Amino acid sequence: GQNIDQPTEMTATEGAIVQINCTYQTSGFNGLFWYQQHAGEAPTFLSYNVLDGLEEKGRFSSFLSRSKGYSYLLLKELQMKDSASYLCAVVDSNYQLIWGAGTKLIIKP
Amino acid sequence: DTAVSQTPKYLVTQMGNDKSIKCEQNLGHDTMYWYKQDSKKFLKIMFSYNNKELIINETVPNRFSPKSPDKAHLNLHINSLELGDSAVYFCASSQGADSYNEQFFGPGTRLTVL
Repeated sequence: GQNIDQPTEMTATEGAIVQINCTYQTSGFNGLFWYQQHAGEAPTFLSYNVLDGLEEKGRFSSFLSRSKGYSYLLLKELQMKDSASYLCAVVDSNYQLIWGAGTKLIIKP
Repeated sequence: DTAVSQTPKYLVTQMGNDKSIKCEQNLGHDTMYWYKQDSKKFLKIMFSYNNKELIINETVPNRFSPKSPDKAHLNLHINSLELGDSAVYFCASSQGADSYNEQFFGPGTRLTVL
């Protein structure tokens, strides 16, 4: 079967750094997405990785290791507005998007 | 300008009723999707549709049917609503038919079945 694993919830302090991990077992791999979803709102795109390595975009970075079936989203200089759920999603060999259940990130002052 | 819009934002109805949710995108995208997000916040794909192909998640009951009058619209019709249908339904769109394209989501429709 296909499986995406993320921690259910994480807590971090304003101004700190947090890493949200995602591991996957899917039938093939054609890329991995990270989306942000604030409570009561729609998911919004953060990043897309298809090659191994780190991609940096402002305070957010996303890392991928295809051989390990592993990705992480790194958030630096945390702000209160970063409190949200972070969804990992993998494109499988049939180009279907498989979604994780999301990680709820709580930021404390 | 709203890229992907849905109406209504909230929908409260009785069990057994039939209802529709409308979705429109002004991005010129080829592909549109419907997702269901339940109380556990798990996003589940229901349908993806472009001009050429409708892909249905086999776990979706046939009470749910997508209707696309044109490329910019994909409406969701639900027959004989059940309590378990209560969830937030998101419409999304992307350029091209492949899932490696970024998806743009609508604001969601919170459906409550009483």
